[in-house]
Amino acid sequence: GAVVSQHPSRVICKSGTSVKIECRSLDFQATTMFWYRQFPKQSLMLMATSNEGSKATYEQGVEKDKFLINHASLTLSTLTVTSAHPEDSSFYICSARDRGQSNQPQHFGDGTRLSIL
Amino acid sequence: LAKTTQPISMDSYEGQEVNITCSHNNIATNDYITWYQQFPSQGPRFIIQGYKTKVTNEVASLFIPADRKSSTLSLPRVSLSDTAVYYCLVGWGTGGSYIPTFGRGTSLIVHP
Repeated sequence: GAVVSQHPSRVICKSGTSVKIECRSLDFQATTMFWYRQFPKQSLMLMATSNEGSKATYEQGVEKDKFLINHASLTLSTLTVTSAHPEDSSFYICSARDRGQSNQPQHFGDGTRLSIL
Repeated sequence: LAKTTQPISMDSYEGQEVNITCSHNNIATNDYITWYQQFPSQGPRFIIQGYKTKVTNEVASLFIPADRKSSTLSLPRVSLSDTAVYYCLVGWGTGGSYIPTFGRGTSLIVHP
């Protein structure tokens, strides 16, 4: 089945550090990937839609200069949390859909636990 | 975007059948209905997807009435390991305009 790999699974770093999270579709190509964040005991909140070869589309209230998204190939999207602060600590999850298969569901990575000290 | 409404929580016991219903009154013609399972500190895992009537796979069944304004995920003979949060998503769009938006989900607790 379709596999989405997310790396790293956990990051602990100091305030002010920039952190990059990778999302890869391992056995399919994805023109669109999605980035979510999830706080404890809450649902997934969509942050942005990552579009291969073009700019990402950010949801209302999400700072595009804070959360940089790059989707340089059909199998890789990256989310960079710039100058991270403790309030950015969260669980970040990506998802992708096989562009070659119509009506296929989204497949999700296993998430990245980001902890800013 | 089709909004979904689910019960916040449900309790069950091992071996029982569990049915979780999701309301999606403004579902669009092109929308599919997809259910996911999420364990703590993991990404959502695909369970089942359907468009109308009934869909069954090795882990669950999905019942969708003719008006498609709701759907019911059925988990046969649950075990402790089925304790998780279950989300239903609707929406597909056309030309790649699908925006998968999550509702609050249903927290299922299976008791011994």
